[in-house]
Order: sequence, then structure tokens, then C-alpha cells
Amino acid sequence: LAKTTQPISMDSYEGQEVNITCSHNNIATNDYITWYQQFPSQGPRFIIQGYKTKVTNEVASLFIPADRKSSTLSLPRVSLSDTAVYYCLVAPLGNTGKLIFGQGTTLQVKP
Amino acid sequence: NAGVMQNPRHLVRRRGQEARLRCSPMKGHSHVYWYRQLPEEGLKFMVYLQKENIIDESGMPKERFSAEFPKEGPSILRIQQVVRGDSAAYFCASSPEQGSFEQYFGPGTRLTVT
Repeated sequence: LAKTTQPISMDSYEGQEVNITCSHNNIATNDYITWYQQFPSQGPRFIIQGYKTKVTNEVASLFIPADRKSSTLSLPRVSLSDTAVYYCLVAPLGNTGKLIFGQGTTLQVKP
Repeated sequence: NAGVMQNPRHLVRRRGQEARLRCSPMKGHSHVYWYRQLPEEGLKFMVYLQKENIIDESGMPKERFSAEFPKEGPSILRIQQVVRGDSAAYFCASSPEQGSFEQYFGPGTRLTVT
């Protein structure tokens, strides 16, 4: 499975757009990129998934360049409630579905 | 549609006792995953089960840990003869199909071994 690297922590202020970049240099052809969010004392929550280019849903956008060696999760106009740990995961389709979590990025949103 | 349910939410056991953690997947989901999160660490995959079958147990410790997902009833993660190092949050997730990266997690069971 491809190894992922993301910043350990980030700070932001309410109302700002936050971009969290994840590096996955050895991503394979059939790998998909998935992002999860985890609040303290809760289970993770699926945010978004993509293979290439751009994916957008009601929560976030995911940007994946042509070489797919990195991806960027974009959170528009964050609020205090977006303070959480964000995990980038890479795994192949057809995998059993087990998720391999790294250490994630702790996002702290300040007022 | 109720989400993934786990019980108990908090469990305290003395060293040497047994711990049983229960997980009821979302309605219509027949795929269950168990993950463990040690204090100040990330989540680690433990086991993947379908009804009456263990599909992938590559993350399960070789001894004292077992899991099942019977035809009827919740999935059970069982830890025998608990030790202090077993203290962690145990999360269950479910999905409607095999290989899905979109998994729905429960609130977790926080096990404390004294």
C-alpha cells in the first residue's frame, strides 16, 4: 500500500479556506485517495474520495494533479467545529477495504 | 436509519479478566471492520468480517483476541486475559459492500484495564 505523508498540524482562523496536502509518491495505478475526519472521542467520518482531477461534495473538495503523487483536501470557510484530525488514505480498489490510517493532520481552527 | 452502534461505550476491566465489545452495523450492512486506537496514536486495522466469516484478520494480535460476526446478532470482539496495554478505544465500522472505502464508524468502546 502506498505510504502517505501529511503535515502533523495546521492552524487556521474561522472563515478561512484550509488546504491540507497529502503526498503519496508511490501511488499505484488502481489506488484511490480517501479522506476521513475524526473529532476527539469519536469515530472517523468519511469526507471524500477521488481518483483523479477534482471531486467536490457538500463538505469539501479534493484536488488531484495529473501525476497523482499528491492530493489536496480543501475545506471552504472553516468554522470552530472543523477542528479535528484529518486523515489521508490511499488504497487499491478491490482491496478488502481495510483502511490504513497514518498519523493525520490535526487542524486547529481559532476564532 | 440508525448508525453503527457499539456497546458498552466505556468498559473497565481488571488485568486477567475478559472484555467483550459489541458492534451492530448499520441496517443493510453485512461488512464489519474493527479498529483500535491506542492513546496518542492513530487507528490500526484489526479484523474484517462478513456474516459468519472472517475475511482478513491480519491486524489481530495472535493471542487473546478473537472476533465473530454471527448470522444473527452483533459482531463481537473478545479480549481474553486483558493486560494494561489493551487499554484503548476500539472502533467498529460497517459498509454495504466489500472493498468499500466509505465506512461508517461507531462511537467506539473505551476499554480501561486497571
